[in-house]
Amino acid sequence: DIQMTQSPSTLSASVGDRVTITCRASQSINSWLAWYQQKPGKAPKLLIYKASTLESGVPSRFSGSGSGTEFTLTISSLQPDDFATYYCQQYNTYWTFGQGTKVEIK
Amino acid sequence: EVQLVESGGGLVQPGGSLRLSCAASGFTFSNYDMHWVRQGTGKGLEWVSAIVTAGDTYYLDSVKGRFTVSRENAKNSLYLQMNNLRAGDTAVYYCTRRLGYGYGFDYWGQGTLVTVSS
Repeated sequence: DIQMTQSPSTLSASVGDRVTITCRASQSINSWLAWYQQKPGKAPKLLIYKASTLESGVPSRFSGSGSGTEFTLTISSLQPDDFATYYCQQYNTYWTFGQGTKVEIK
Repeated sequence: EVQLVESGGGLVQPGGSLRLSCAASGFTFSNYDMHWVRQGTGKGLEWVSAIVTAGDTYYLDSVKGRFTVSRENAKNSLYLQMNNLRAGDTAVYYCTRRLGYGYGFDYWGQGTLVTVSS
């Protein structure tokens, strides 16, 4: 089974900050990685797939990079609407989510 | 407008059964792989099951032999039959779709709560 490990688990930041979340896979997943945003009581929202492809309608301040086993999600300038929990997901072999990273207000 | 609407959740005793349904609209259902993802209270997302366009099915190890996923393209519907339920299956269950290999889960339902408790 492929395990996905996100860091940090919690991140405190201010509006306007540049934020980076890391996701590591236990084995190579090529570029088969997606990122999701989830707000309390809501379903997840797809942000990025294939490691770096921005989903239609997602603001360009979100970007993804990486391949193999190490990936990052970057928010270039954090906005009030971005405080949420973020999950990575591999889909190279079956489907596995990371444990999540909560982005909270500093 | 794409819509996925889950139903069928509720309170069930350990060892009991439930059948979840997901009604899809606003897109060509037969063209999409369909998945179930669950989330325990205060916990992260956990992929549960999938049925692809060709009809092949896939399961999380801990639900194999207990859960069965199916689809009825003529009714634009996805199902999850859950038998021998355990306390650890307690979660909100989401249905979600994927266009195919290489894509993420782009639309999700609002979820249905399954509580397994005596």
